[in-house]
Amino acid sequence: GQQVMQIPQYQHVQEGEDFTTYCNSSTTLSNIQWYKQRPGGHPVFLIQLVKSGEVKKQKRLTFQFGEAKKNSSLHITATQTTDVGTYFCAVPSGGSNYKLTFGKGTLLTVNP
Amino acid sequence: SQTIHQWPATLVQPVGSPLSLECTVEGTSNPNLYWYRQAAGRGLQLLFYSIGIDQISSEVPQNLSASRPQDRQFILSSKKLLLSDSGFYLCASESIGYTFGSGTRLTVV
Repeated sequence: GQQVMQIPQYQHVQEGEDFTTYCNSSTTLSNIQWYKQRPGGHPVFLIQLVKSGEVKKQKRLTFQFGEAKKNSSLHITATQTTDVGTYFCAVPSGGSNYKLTFGKGTLLTVNP
Repeated sequence: SQTIHQWPATLVQPVGSPLSLECTVEGTSNPNLYWYRQAAGRGLQLLFYSIGIDQISSEVPQNLSASRPQDRQFILSSKKLLLSDSGFYLCASESIGYTFGSGTRLTVV
C-alpha cells in the first residue's frame, strides 16, 4: 500500500520559534491531507492540498504541496503553547480515494 | 457538518472477554466509515472501512470484526480480546477530510 514518510518524529521548540514538519512519498499523490491531534484527543482535519505547488495558509500555519506532488510541508510561524500536539499527514492509499494512510506524525512540544 | 458519536470513552476489559464499540454518525447520509487503531499515542492503523450497509472491508488480519447494520452505525467487535488489542480506537467518517469521533481507550488486562 501507499507509504508516506513523515519527519521529524519529535520537535521541541521555544515559544515564538518556527516549526516545520515534512511528508514525502515515493509516488505521485492525488492529494494530501493534514491533521492535528492534541494530547489525549482525536485527530482533527486541518486542510487538503490537491494542486501541484499549492500553498494554503491558516493564520500562522502554512501548507505546501510540492510541484511534483510527492511531498508536502506544514510550517507554523511563531509557535504558541496551543500548537502543542501531533501533526499527521495522510494520503490516499490502495488505489482508493477514500482510504487514507497516515504518516507516523510529528509530535510538537512548545516550551513557554 | 458531521458529528461522530463514539462510546465508551474508556474501557478496561479482561483478556478473553468480548468487545463491542459503537459509532454513530449525524449530519450526513451514506457516509464512508472507518475504524482506526492508534497504539502508544502515535500512528493510525486502518482496521476496517465501509462504503455502505453490510459492506465491510478488512485491512489487516486480526482478532476483530466490524459490522454496519444501519447506514450511520458502525460497530467494532471481538469475541475474545487479546492483550495486544489494547489501544485507542477511533471511528471516522469521510467528508472533505475525515471527521473523527472522540475515541475509545481500550485497556485489556
